[in-house]
Amino acid sequence: QVQLQQSGTELVKPASSVKISCKASGYTFTSNYMHWIRQQPGNGLEWIGWIYPGNGNTKYNQKFDGKATLTADKSSSTAYMQLSSLTSEDSAVYFCARSGYGDWFAYWGQGTLVTVSS
Amino acid sequence: DTVLTQSPALAVSPGERVSISCRASEGVNSYMHWYQQKPGQQPKLLIYKASNLASGVPARFSGSGSGTDFTLTIDPVEADDTATYFCQQSWNDPNTFGAGTKLELK
Repeated sequence: QVQLQQSGTELVKPASSVKISCKASGYTFTSNYMHWIRQQPGNGLEWIGWIYPGNGNTKYNQKFDGKATLTADKSSSTAYMQLSSLTSEDSAVYFCARSGYGDWFAYWGQGTLVTVSS
Repeated sequence: DTVLTQSPALAVSPGERVSISCRASEGVNSYMHWYQQKPGQQPKLLIYKASNLASGVPARFSGSGSGTDFTLTIDPVEADDTATYFCQQSWNDPNTFGAGTKLELK
């Protein structure tokens, strides 16, 4: 069965960077888009972007251009998202999610809480 | 960006029928999807492309609509349906989500 296992909670300082991971199993990692989605406390969901692990192509929501960098390691079936120049506004739960033949998300990771605080 | 507007909250009794609406600021064809999220959990896909039931989702859930107006219906509502329901469109770039409708049971 498809599983997406994300890395654990991060407490990071303002102006720093953080890299969170999403390890995929149960399907061909290189054949499906992996998306990242943010959920700020008490707020709704925001789509950050996707990566296609088969060729490394990426697409970002303009809002997150320069903030998020998506990469993937085919050898370990793991997708990564690096967030840079962190501020308190970046404190949120970040989800990875796999799409199928369209941009809807049948499979989600459990979420990674990132807290930005000095 | 395409703004999706949902009513913030609804309260219904078990056994009743409830309709949750989502209105898009511009047309999204049929590319509207619905998710259920319970506290501390990841969202769960219920409906994709307006009216298609996701795998493993009970037939009590259904979706309808096209263009700018969409509805998620639960009939009958059960106690376990207490959750926040989000719509998402993937027709226009970027993908966007509604702010969510919190469903409470009386």
